[in-house]
Amino acid sequence: GQNIDQPTEMTATEGAIVQINCTYQTSGFNGLFWYQQHAGEAPTFLSYNVLDGLEEKGRFSSFLSRSKGYSYLLLKELQMKDSASYLCAASDSNYQLIWGAGTKLIIKP
Amino acid sequence: ETGVTQTPRHLVMGMTNKKSLKCEQHLGHNAMYWYKQSAKKPLELMFVYSLEERVENNSVPSRFSPECPNSSHLFLHLHTLQPEDSALYLCASSQDRETYNEQFFGPGTRLTVL
Repeated sequence: GQNIDQPTEMTATEGAIVQINCTYQTSGFNGLFWYQQHAGEAPTFLSYNVLDGLEEKGRFSSFLSRSKGYSYLLLKELQMKDSASYLCAASDSNYQLIWGAGTKLIIKP
Repeated sequence: ETGVTQTPRHLVMGMTNKKSLKCEQHLGHNAMYWYKQSAKKPLELMFVYSLEERVENNSVPSRFSPECPNSSHLFLHLHTLQPEDSALYLCASSQDRETYNEQFFGPGTRLTVL
């Protein structure tokens, strides 16, 4: 079956760095997405990886290893506003997104 | 202007009621989606429309009935729902379904079934 695994919750300190991991198993693969969702709001797109390696976008970076079925989202210089849930989603052979349950990130001062 | 809008934002209904959720996208996209989001669970894809034609129906109960009258509007008609249907219902759109593209989400409708 198709499956996405990511930690349920993580806690980090303001100004620090945090890495949120995601492993996936899908029928075919057309890329890996990360979304951010603040409480009570819509998910918003953060990043997309389809090739192996690291994609950097400001304070956020996303990594993909297709051979390992693994991705991570790296958040640097954490700010209080980064407190949110981070959703990992893999696109399968039909371009359907298979979603993880999300990682709730708590930032402490 | 918000790209994807949804109404109502909150809805409380009894199990015998009939109601409809509305979604509108102002992005010129060709694909639209309905998702169900329950607490601590992955997003569940319910329906996908591409160019107004339904292409995915992930074994959703018939008490949920989608309608896509044009590429900008999507409805979800609800009837005789169950309490376990209480959840956040999210609408999303993307440029196309078959190619890489990010999905843009609306704010959702928080549904409570009594």
